[in-house]
Amino acid sequence: EAQVTQNPRYLITVTGKKLTVTCSQNMNHEYMSWYRQDPGLGLRQIYYSMNVEVTDKGDVPEGYKVSRKEKRNFPLILESPSPNQTSLYFCASRPDSAGQTQYFGPGTRLLVL
Amino acid sequence: GENVEQHPSTLSVQEGDSAVIKCTYSDSASNYFPWYKQELGKGPQLIIDIRSNVGEKKDQRIAVTLNKTAKHFSLHITETQPEDSAVYFCAASRPGNQFYFGTGTSLTVIP
Repeated sequence: EAQVTQNPRYLITVTGKKLTVTCSQNMNHEYMSWYRQDPGLGLRQIYYSMNVEVTDKGDVPEGYKVSRKEKRNFPLILESPSPNQTSLYFCASRPDSAGQTQYFGPGTRLLVL
Repeated sequence: GENVEQHPSTLSVQEGDSAVIKCTYSDSASNYFPWYKQELGKGPQLIIDIRSNVGEKKDQRIAVTLNKTAKHFSLHITETQPEDSAVYFCAASRPGNQFYFGTGTSLTVIP
């Protein structure tokens, strides 16, 4: 089954404790993105990757890092989480930068205390 | 960058009635306009999309219309059912570029 998976689905952590949210897709897509979803603000792009070893900032990249060492995986790293990063996070993929049909993962709900 | 506005933020309709959600965009170069449905605890799922060379597209009870001149597009759901209750997002993008999303509409269909 074609899908985007994320882990963990729920995470409670404390300020400053590094964490990683994993994302994996099995559709051989080149383009992957991370979004955060906050009430009243919709979905905002954090980072995206057009292919292996090619990443760039979205609209709200502060406090986040990403890497793309393999085509299928695109982890999101919070090196020193803060309470304002409490949010619902979605990973998404699409075939390539020109392809526009986008597939979303199930989401990771993060609470930073 | 692109700015997408979506209205209303909440919408309640009686089962069987129609629901309309409207979005406007600012970048005249945007040429792809998808609509996503997000059910509780799940990621957004594409339900219909339209490209700028088309004015209207229909898929069973769901339709989308696009007015390029006015830079607005709308989602129409007819004969609503309780399972249509969800949050709906519009988005706009142009080739090779990121997606810009509206702020979402929470639709409740009252049985």
